[in-house]
Amino acid sequence: GAGVSQTPSNKVTEKGKYVELRCDPISGHTALYWYRQSLGQGPEFLIYFQGTGAADDSGLPNDRFFAVRPEGSVSTLKIQRTERGDSAVYLCASSLNGGREQYFGPGTRLTVT
Amino acid sequence: GQQVMQIPQYQHVQEGEDFTTYCNSSTTLSNIQWYKQRPGGHPVFLIQLVKSGEVKKQKRLTFQFGEAKKNSSLHITATQTTDVGTYFCADKGGSYIPTFGRGTSLIVHP
Repeated sequence: GAGVSQTPSNKVTEKGKYVELRCDPISGHTALYWYRQSLGQGPEFLIYFQGTGAADDSGLPNDRFFAVRPEGSVSTLKIQRTERGDSAVYLCASSLNGGREQYFGPGTRLTVT
Repeated sequence: GQQVMQIPQYQHVQEGEDFTTYCNSSTTLSNIQWYKQRPGGHPVFLIQLVKSGEVKKQKRLTFQFGEAKKNSSLHITATQTTDVGTYFCADKGGSYIPTFGRGTSLIVHP
């Protein structure tokens, strides 16, 4: 079966632009997580979905970041007015439910110039 | 919030030597998960430890959860070049939000 997929794999954008990052979780996984990973660091939690709802968005750094999962499957992470400090690899992970092991996607490398 | 400290940050070994990474917390850990991330790759789940004092083995890898649930370790016996990567521990916590350590990068010299 297919694993978690993320598109695009790389995104270069100019400061101030809007970007959308997409995550396709493993079919049947109700839990979906977004993380941000900078070089030399562990994944930093952003937001957790259980089904369609954001169960915990406490990791979103500010109101420029927003994520949706309207049908409980695909999720989109949206970043408005991008800043150079947003440059990182954005990882998506899904899990059968919230308490189980997570399966990570390959990530989207975002570069803000 | 919960902080998970991992040491060392880097470890160079000769192929065939053993390797250990430690995950420590000042507060009680809930469930510990271990992940491996190859250079340029994404984290891949290895194992989850739940019980105090738990020990689990996967071939040359041995995972331990401390008796007080404040630390965990991953030990690799007789490292191989395929073991290269960064090993992360993550505390799952009671809220399903995992807190990852900074990771230990293992470099194996042939």
